[in-house]
Amino acid sequence: KNEVEQSPQNLTAQEGEFITINCSYSVGISALHWLQQHPGGGIVSLFMLSSGKKKHGRLIATINIQEKHSSLHITASHPRDSAVYICAVAPKAAGNKLTFGGGTRVLVKP
Amino acid sequence: DAGVIQSPRHEVTEMGQEVTLRCKPISGHNSLFWYRQTMMRGLELLIYFNNNVPIDDSGMPEDRFSAKMPNASFSTLKIQPSEPRDSAVYFCASSPGQGAEAFFGQGTRLTVV
Repeated sequence: KNEVEQSPQNLTAQEGEFITINCSYSVGISALHWLQQHPGGGIVSLFMLSSGKKKHGRLIATINIQEKHSSLHITASHPRDSAVYICAVAPKAAGNKLTFGGGTRVLVKP
Repeated sequence: DAGVIQSPRHEVTEMGQEVTLRCKPISGHNSLFWYRQTMMRGLELLIYFNNNVPIDDSGMPEDRFSAKMPNASFSTLKIQPSEPRDSAVYFCASSPGQGAEAFFGQGTRLTVV
């Protein structure tokens, strides 16, 4: 079993729909990261969080440390949100080392 | 700041050749990471440095891979000799410190034929 599991693997939505991506992990962590990778390949860090909730524009990330679970929400989705979203955790015993989920491929249709 | 700069962006080489990938981290960042991304295995950490010192190289696949960070503004990842199974996108990332957000370069797409 992978230390970081994401669901769904693939997601297709119509423009304007609310999107949720889930991430579960099995180890104690010091932080969880959400990354976005566009078709061109570049990776951008969206959020880093260790508790509660963060919001940036139409993106919201939440984390429940007790449940070892995080969600990334996209409100009013747009075709430019089409990308692969990757969850990564920094295990407590591992310093700066990140362990990655397999990614969720999101396609938003106009 | 221009962000993390990697070169080359694309590299095609023949099996057996030496390949050197380069990375310039963001100025002032003291952690640097090398990752590899493949379709089969996703993103994997190869090695990371704190203050130019290699901290964890357990992800380096085998002795053909080596990484150096001679100073705070430059790192290399070398593969010698290269093999077709090394074909992947190699990302470099830097971070201002332990537990801080990481900033990724655009990656180097390596194809070994």
